[in-house]
Amino acid sequence: DARVTQTPRDKVTEMGQEVTMRCQPILGHNTVFWYRQTMMQGLELLAYFRNRAPLDDSGMPKDRFSAEMPDATLATLKIQPSEPRDSAVYFCASGSGDGANYGYTFGSGTRLTVV
Amino acid sequence: RKEVEQDPGPFNVPEGATVAFNCTYSNSASQSFFWYRQDCRKEPKLLMSVYSSGNEDGRFTAQLNRASQYISLLIRDSKLSDSATYLCVVNMENSGYALNFGKGTSLLVTP
Repeated sequence: DARVTQTPRDKVTEMGQEVTMRCQPILGHNTVFWYRQTMMQGLELLAYFRNRAPLDDSGMPKDRFSAEMPDATLATLKIQPSEPRDSAVYFCASGSGDGANYGYTFGSGTRLTVV
Repeated sequence: RKEVEQDPGPFNVPEGATVAFNCTYSNSASQSFFWYRQDCRKEPKLLMSVYSSGNEDGRFTAQLNRASQYISLLIRDSKLSDSATYLCVVNMENSGYALNFGKGTSLLVTP
């Protein structure tokens, strides 16, 4: 089965450090999403790309978060500087153009703990 | 008010029982509806799409009521393996692509 691959699986870092999370979408998928999940808020959309172009990043704290898609096989989410409130599971998801009709596939997530 | 609202549960049911989850959404222009399943410490996985006429997949039946902006999921003959969190999902307002997730309803099926 085709998979969305995320690295690292787990990350523990100190407050103030830079964190970079990576995602390899399923080959051929042209829509890529970053979601964050916490117990309090559930799944929140941070940003998404279509054909590598950013379409919406309004869910992201702009001062510290950045999302890029340097090529079709890699999406990155960077936090600089990290804060304890950023502790969450970060999911990447990908889909094809009709994903809004047929759903998207999620990666296994990056569990981030900022201490 | 969150765009997609669900009863968080937990729903504790015995094996073999029938259980129903409900969800309401606020965007009357929504066109895409799904149920996702999420196991503990795992990623969400698509369970089924929800169509206007209602649809069934084995023991699972999904219904959509556009007038009331209400979605339901019925699970018949519950199995232990059905224990998970069920997420109601609707496409986002002003977005043809992005999905808005409810916080989920927790189901525990007991022997």
